[in-house]
Amino acid sequence: KAGVTQTPRYLIKTRGQQVTLSCSPISGHRSVSWYQQTPGQGLQFLFEYFSETQRNKGNFPGRFSGRQFSNSRSEMNVSTLELGDSALYLCASSLNRGQVEISYEQYFGPGTRLTVT
Amino acid sequence: TQLLEQSPQFLSIQEGENLTVYCNSSSVFSSLQWYRQEPGEGPVLLVTVVTGGEVKKLKRLTFQFGDARKDSSLHITAAQPGDTGLYLCAGAYDYKLSFGAGTTVTVRA
Repeated sequence: KAGVTQTPRYLIKTRGQQVTLSCSPISGHRSVSWYQQTPGQGLQFLFEYFSETQRNKGNFPGRFSGRQFSNSRSEMNVSTLELGDSALYLCASSLNRGQVEISYEQYFGPGTRLTVT
Repeated sequence: TQLLEQSPQFLSIQEGENLTVYCNSSSVFSSLQWYRQEPGEGPVLLVTVVTGGEVKKLKRLTFQFGDARKDSSLHITAAQPGDTGLYLCAGAYDYKLSFGAGTTVTVRA
């Protein structure tokens, strides 16, 4: 079974631009989460989607948004990029059945390295 | 502010030595997971512990979940260079994971 894939792997953008990152979860996984990883803050939760609905959201400004499609693929968008948005953006999928799952194991993609100049 | 505190932040040992990484919180989690991340890659799930007091072994790795489900430890016996990486603990609650800052482990040959 193929793992989580993310595109593109590397991206360089200029301040003020916007960017869209894509994630394809493991087949059969309906939950997709996004994380931002930086050396200073570590792994920070952005949001989680399940069945095309945002189910949970972290403490990030509204410039960060996402969506999920009917095939569970997900996109994340960042508008009006700032230098501080430079980070590794990780997508993770989970075999979450829509009920409260006590384990909630995540399977991560390789990430998209975003550099804002 | 992270809910989970990991210690130590960095660990450098010689091949063959043992090491322990700690993950502590004042919060109770429904489960706790350990991941290992190598440079340029996403974290890879190593283990999930669910029951307070649970101990799981994965070859040379031993994971323990505290009785109160607030803390955990990862012990590696006879470390090898292939164990080098960033070790992350993560607590699960309300459909999301809260990650610790990580422990960077370097095993020298």
